[in-house]
Amino acid sequence: DAKTTQPTSMDCAEGRAANLPCNHSTISGNEYVYWYRQIHSQGPQYIIHGLKNNETNEMASLIITEDRKSSTLILPHATLRDTAVYYCIVRVGSGGGADGLTFGKGTHLIIQP
Amino acid sequence: DVKVTQSSRYLVKRTGEKVFLECVQDMDHENMFWYRQDPGLGLRLIYFSYDVKMKEKGDIPEGYSVSREKKERFSLILESASTNQTSMYLCASSLTDLLVNTEAFFGQGTRLTVV
Repeated sequence: DAKTTQPTSMDCAEGRAANLPCNHSTISGNEYVYWYRQIHSQGPQYIIHGLKNNETNEMASLIITEDRKSSTLILPHATLRDTAVYYCIVRVGSGGGADGLTFGKGTHLIIQP
Repeated sequence: DVKVTQSSRYLVKRTGEKVFLECVQDMDHENMFWYRQDPGLGLRLIYFSYDVKMKEKGDIPEGYSVSREKKERFSLILESASTNQTSMYLCASSLTDLLVNTEAFFGQGTRLTVV
Protein backbone atom coordinates (compact mmCIF):
# COMPACT_ATOMS: atom_id res chain seq x y z
CA ASP A 1 0.00 0.00 0.00
CA ALA A 2 1.14 3.54 -0.76
CA LYS A 3 2.52 5.70 2.03
CA THR A 4 0.76 8.90 3.10
CA THR A 5 2.00 12.15 4.61
CA GLN A 6 -0.19 14.31 6.84
CA PRO A 7 0.52 17.30 9.08
CA THR A 8 0.94 16.33 12.70
CA SER A 9 -1.64 18.77 13.99
CA MET A 10 -4.03 21.52 12.90
CA ASP A 11 -6.34 24.02 14.57
CA CYS A 12 -9.69 25.21 13.26
CA ALA A 13 -12.28 27.60 14.67
CA GLU A 14 -15.67 26.18 15.55
CA GLY A 15 -18.19 26.72 12.74
CA ARG A 16 -15.53 27.11 10.07
CA ALA A 17 -14.57 24.54 7.44
CA ALA A 18 -11.71 22.26 8.43
CA ASN A 19 -9.49 21.25 5.48
CA LEU A 20 -7.18 18.34 6.18
CA PRO A 21 -4.53 17.63 3.54
CA CYS A 22 -2.93 14.30 2.68
CA ASN A 23 -0.10 13.57 0.27
CA HIS A 24 0.06 10.17 -1.39
CA SER A 25 2.41 10.73 -4.32
CA THR A 26 3.15 7.01 -4.83
CA ILE A 27 -0.49 5.97 -5.09
CA SER A 28 -1.15 3.41 -7.79
CA GLY A 29 -4.11 3.24 -10.13
CA ASN A 30 -6.07 0.66 -8.17
CA GLU A 31 -5.62 2.21 -4.74
CA TYR A 32 -8.42 4.03 -2.97
CA VAL A 33 -8.12 6.90 -0.50
CA TYR A 34 -9.82 6.24 2.84
CA TRP A 35 -10.30 8.60 5.77
CA TYR A 36 -10.93 7.50 9.34
CA ARG A 37 -10.93 9.47 12.56
CA GLN A 38 -10.39 8.52 16.18
CA ILE A 39 -11.91 10.51 18.98
CA HIS A 40 -10.08 10.21 22.28
CA SER A 41 -10.66 6.85 24.04
CA GLN A 42 -12.78 5.47 21.19
CA GLY A 43 -12.11 3.13 18.28
CA PRO A 44 -11.49 4.57 14.80
CA GLN A 45 -14.54 5.60 12.80
CA TYR A 46 -14.88 5.49 9.02
CA ILE A 47 -15.55 8.86 7.37
CA ILE A 48 -15.35 8.56 3.59
CA HIS A 49 -13.39 7.02 0.73
CA GLY A 50 -12.84 7.62 -2.98
CA LEU A 51 -10.88 6.53 -6.04
CA LYS A 52 -10.61 9.56 -8.32
CA ASN A 53 -13.88 11.45 -8.24
CA ASN A 54 -14.73 13.86 -5.45
CA GLU A 55 -17.06 12.34 -2.88
CA THR A 56 -19.49 13.78 -0.33
CA ASN A 57 -21.51 12.21 2.44
CA GLU A 58 -23.27 13.41 5.57
CA MET A 59 -19.99 13.72 7.45
CA ALA A 60 -17.51 15.22 5.00
CA SER A 61 -16.30 15.85 1.47
CA LEU A 62 -13.25 14.31 -0.13
CA ILE A 63 -11.42 16.21 -2.86
CA ILE A 64 -8.84 14.20 -4.83
CA THR A 65 -6.49 16.02 -7.22
CA GLU A 66 -6.56 15.07 -10.86
CA ASP A 67 -3.16 13.35 -10.67
CA ARG A 68 -4.37 11.59 -7.45
CA LYS A 69 -1.17 12.45 -5.64
CA SER A 70 -2.95 14.32 -2.89
CA SER A 71 -6.36 14.76 -1.36
CA THR A 72 -8.20 16.99 1.10
CA LEU A 73 -10.84 16.01 3.62
CA ILE A 74 -13.29 18.83 4.29
CA LEU A 75 -15.48 19.06 7.36
CA PRO A 76 -17.79 21.90 6.26
CA HIS A 77 -18.87 23.27 9.65
CA ALA A 78 -16.53 21.97 12.32
CA THR A 79 -17.85 21.46 15.85
CA LEU A 80 -16.02 20.76 19.09
CA ARG A 81 -16.97 17.09 18.71
CA ASP A 82 -14.86 16.93 15.55
CA THR A 83 -11.68 17.21 17.65
CA ALA A 84 -9.93 13.92 16.86
CA VAL A 85 -6.99 12.31 15.08
CA TYR A 86 -7.73 11.97 11.37
CA TYR A 87 -6.08 9.21 9.37
CA CYS A 88 -5.61 9.19 5.61
CA ILE A 89 -5.05 5.67 4.24
CA VAL A 90 -4.50 4.48 0.70
CA ARG A 91 -5.00 0.86 -0.22
CA VAL A 92 -6.22 -1.49 -2.86
CA GLY A 93 -9.95 -1.89 -2.54
CA SER A 94 -12.25 -4.63 -1.36
CA GLY A 95 -13.83 -4.66 2.05
CA GLY A 96 -11.82 -1.95 3.77
CA GLY A 97 -9.20 -4.51 3.34
CA ALA A 98 -9.36 -8.17 3.85
CA ASP A 99 -5.77 -7.82 5.01
CA GLY A 100 -6.27 -4.88 7.31
CA LEU A 101 -5.71 -1.14 7.14
CA THR A 102 -2.32 0.49 7.63
CA PHE A 103 -2.72 3.50 9.90
CA GLY A 104 -0.02 6.18 10.00
CA LYS A 105 0.32 8.87 12.65
CA GLY A 106 -2.58 10.97 11.37
CA THR A 107 -3.42 14.64 11.95
CA HIS A 108 -4.59 15.79 15.35
CA LEU A 109 -7.36 18.28 14.53
CA ILE A 110 -8.26 20.61 17.38
CA ILE A 111 -11.43 22.64 17.06
CA GLN A 112 -11.19 25.88 19.01
CA PRO A 113 -14.34 27.43 20.54
CA ASP B 1 -25.98 0.07 12.77
CA VAL B 2 -23.07 -2.32 12.82
CA LYS B 3 -21.90 -3.06 16.28
CA VAL B 4 -18.51 -4.40 17.24
CA THR B 5 -18.37 -5.19 20.93
CA GLN B 6 -15.25 -5.89 22.95
CA SER B 7 -15.83 -7.72 26.20
CA SER B 8 -13.91 -5.34 28.46
CA ARG B 9 -12.93 -1.66 28.37
CA TYR B 10 -10.18 -2.08 30.98
CA LEU B 11 -8.20 -5.12 32.13
CA VAL B 12 -5.32 -5.56 34.55
CA LYS B 13 -3.42 -8.85 34.40
CA ARG B 14 -0.25 -10.23 35.92
CA THR B 15 2.89 -11.17 34.01
CA GLY B 16 2.70 -14.77 32.83
CA GLU B 17 -1.10 -14.99 32.89
CA LYS B 18 -3.03 -16.29 29.90
CA VAL B 19 -5.30 -13.48 28.70
CA PHE B 20 -8.34 -13.69 26.45
CA LEU B 21 -9.73 -10.63 24.67
CA GLU B 22 -13.12 -11.23 23.10
CA CYS B 23 -14.74 -9.44 20.19
CA VAL B 24 -18.23 -9.95 18.77
CA GLN B 25 -19.80 -8.34 15.70
CA ASP B 26 -23.47 -8.47 14.78
CA MET B 27 -23.47 -7.79 11.03
CA ASP B 28 -22.39 -11.13 9.58
CA HIS B 29 -19.04 -9.72 8.44
CA GLU B 30 -16.52 -12.15 7.00
CA ASN B 31 -13.39 -10.22 8.00
CA MET B 32 -12.29 -9.53 11.54
CA PHE B 33 -9.11 -7.89 12.80
CA TRP B 34 -7.12 -7.29 15.97
CA TYR B 35 -4.92 -4.19 16.27
CA ARG B 36 -2.93 -2.72 19.09
CA GLN B 37 -2.40 1.02 19.51
CA ASP B 38 0.56 2.56 21.30
CA PRO B 39 1.61 6.21 21.64
CA GLY B 40 3.92 7.23 18.83
CA LEU B 41 3.43 3.95 16.97
CA GLY B 42 -0.18 4.27 15.82
CA LEU B 43 -2.33 1.23 15.11
CA ARG B 44 -0.56 -2.00 14.21
CA LEU B 45 -2.25 -5.12 12.88
CA ILE B 46 -1.72 -8.24 14.99
CA TYR B 47 -3.90 -10.87 13.28
CA PHE B 48 -6.87 -11.00 10.97
CA SER B 49 -9.38 -13.59 9.87
CA TYR B 50 -11.32 -13.72 6.62
CA ASP B 51 -13.51 -16.70 7.50
CA VAL B 52 -14.39 -19.09 10.30
CA LYS B 53 -11.34 -21.06 11.45
CA MET B 54 -9.11 -19.05 9.09
CA LYS B 55 -6.43 -16.70 10.38
CA GLU B 56 -3.55 -14.72 8.97
CA LYS B 57 -0.65 -13.01 10.71
CA GLY B 58 -0.51 -9.26 10.62
CA ASP B 59 2.53 -7.10 11.21
CA ILE B 60 3.20 -7.99 14.87
CA PRO B 61 1.85 -11.48 15.67
CA GLU B 62 4.61 -12.53 18.08
CA GLY B 63 3.29 -13.35 21.53
CA TYR B 64 -0.31 -13.58 20.35
CA SER B 65 -2.67 -16.17 18.94
CA VAL B 66 -6.28 -15.96 17.77
CA SER B 67 -9.37 -18.10 17.53
CA ARG B 68 -12.36 -17.82 15.21
CA GLU B 69 -14.73 -20.73 15.89
CA LYS B 70 -17.86 -18.77 14.95
CA LYS B 71 -18.30 -16.08 12.33
CA GLU B 72 -19.36 -13.41 14.79
CA ARG B 73 -16.60 -13.93 17.36
CA PHE B 74 -12.85 -13.34 17.13
CA SER B 75 -10.69 -13.88 20.18
CA LEU B 76 -7.18 -12.62 20.81
CA ILE B 77 -5.08 -14.72 23.18
CA LEU B 78 -1.95 -13.69 25.02
CA GLU B 79 -0.43 -17.04 25.94
CA SER B 80 1.83 -15.60 28.64
CA ALA B 81 1.26 -11.91 29.18
CA SER B 82 4.29 -9.63 29.41
CA THR B 83 4.61 -5.99 30.39
CA ASN B 84 5.41 -4.98 26.80
CA GLN B 85 1.93 -6.12 25.86
CA THR B 86 0.41 -3.32 27.90
CA SER B 87 -1.54 -1.46 25.23
CA MET B 88 -4.91 -0.48 23.80
CA TYR B 89 -6.35 -3.37 21.78
CA LEU B 90 -8.87 -2.67 19.04
CA CYS B 91 -11.06 -5.16 17.21
CA ALA B 92 -12.59 -4.42 13.80
CA SER B 93 -14.77 -6.13 11.22
CA SER B 94 -15.64 -5.60 7.57
CA LEU B 95 -17.49 -7.21 4.68
CA THR B 96 -15.74 -8.99 1.89
CA ASP B 97 -17.07 -7.78 -1.41
CA LEU B 98 -14.67 -7.64 -4.30
CA LEU B 99 -16.89 -5.28 -6.25
CA VAL B 100 -17.70 -2.77 -3.56
CA ASN B 101 -15.39 -1.04 -1.18
CA THR B 102 -16.71 -1.00 2.33
CA GLU B 103 -15.37 0.41 5.51
CA ALA B 104 -14.11 -1.35 8.62
CA PHE B 105 -16.04 -0.95 11.88
CA PHE B 106 -14.14 -0.75 15.13
CA GLY B 107 -14.96 -1.62 18.70
CA GLN B 108 -14.39 0.75 21.61
CA GLY B 109 -11.10 -0.83 22.55
CA THR B 110 -9.72 -2.71 25.55
CA ARG B 111 -7.01 -1.02 27.57
CA LEU B 112 -4.87 -3.86 28.92
CA THR B 113 -2.31 -3.29 31.64
CA VAL B 114 0.13 -6.10 32.46
CA VAL B 115 1.80 -5.73 35.84
